[in-house]
Amino acid sequence: TQLLEQSPQFLSIQEGENLTVYCNSSSVFSSLQWYRQEPGEGPVLLVTVVTGGEVKKLKRLTFQFGDARKDSSLHITAAQPGDTGLYLCAGLSGNTGKLIFGQGTTLQVKP
Amino acid sequence: DTEVTQTPKHLVMGMTNKKSLKCEQHMGHRAMYWYKQKAKKPPELMFVYSYEKLSINESVPSRFSPECPNSSLLNLHLHALQPEDSALYLCASRQNQGASIIYGYTFGSGTRLTVV
Repeated sequence: TQLLEQSPQFLSIQEGENLTVYCNSSSVFSSLQWYRQEPGEGPVLLVTVVTGGEVKKLKRLTFQFGDARKDSSLHITAAQPGDTGLYLCAGLSGNTGKLIFGQGTTLQVKP
Repeated sequence: DTEVTQTPKHLVMGMTNKKSLKCEQHMGHRAMYWYKQKAKKPPELMFVYSYEKLSINESVPSRFSPECPNSSLLNLHLHALQPEDSALYLCASRQNQGASIIYGYTFGSGTRLTVV
């Protein structure tokens, strides 16, 4: 069974601080996705990483995919209150179309 | 149209009621999904429809009954629910079940269900 372990599960920081969220697995994934979800809304896709060692940037967000394609990280620089939400990493399992989610990281950025 | 639309946004129902959740997409996606999500937890897969046929049922209790009348519409019929079924119910779609992950999933905003 493919599992994704996400850490930390909860993070409360001040505006302007940097943070990193980790997503780890003992299994190889062909690709991983990161989603952000605000309260009362559905998850919104932020990025898909496909190639081992890949780094993608989305404004203040930097996503990395491990060389072995077993782990990924999300780094936020100078966090803002608008970054508050639930961050989910997810990987596709085989050809079933099942999206496996990590446990999620609830981020609170205080002004 | 690049959205998945779910109605209603909020629903309160008694344990003896029958209600339905509706999900609609017009992106030509042929795989549609129902997920259940509790607060601060990841979504849990319930059902997958591929080309209007039920492809995956994740051992969901029979009080939840999915239906896919056509390629754009997905319903979830609810009957005799329990308070512990209260959650955010999310619908999602993607190009097809076997498509590369780069095509991504599009999620609706969900229906917040409260069972009293």
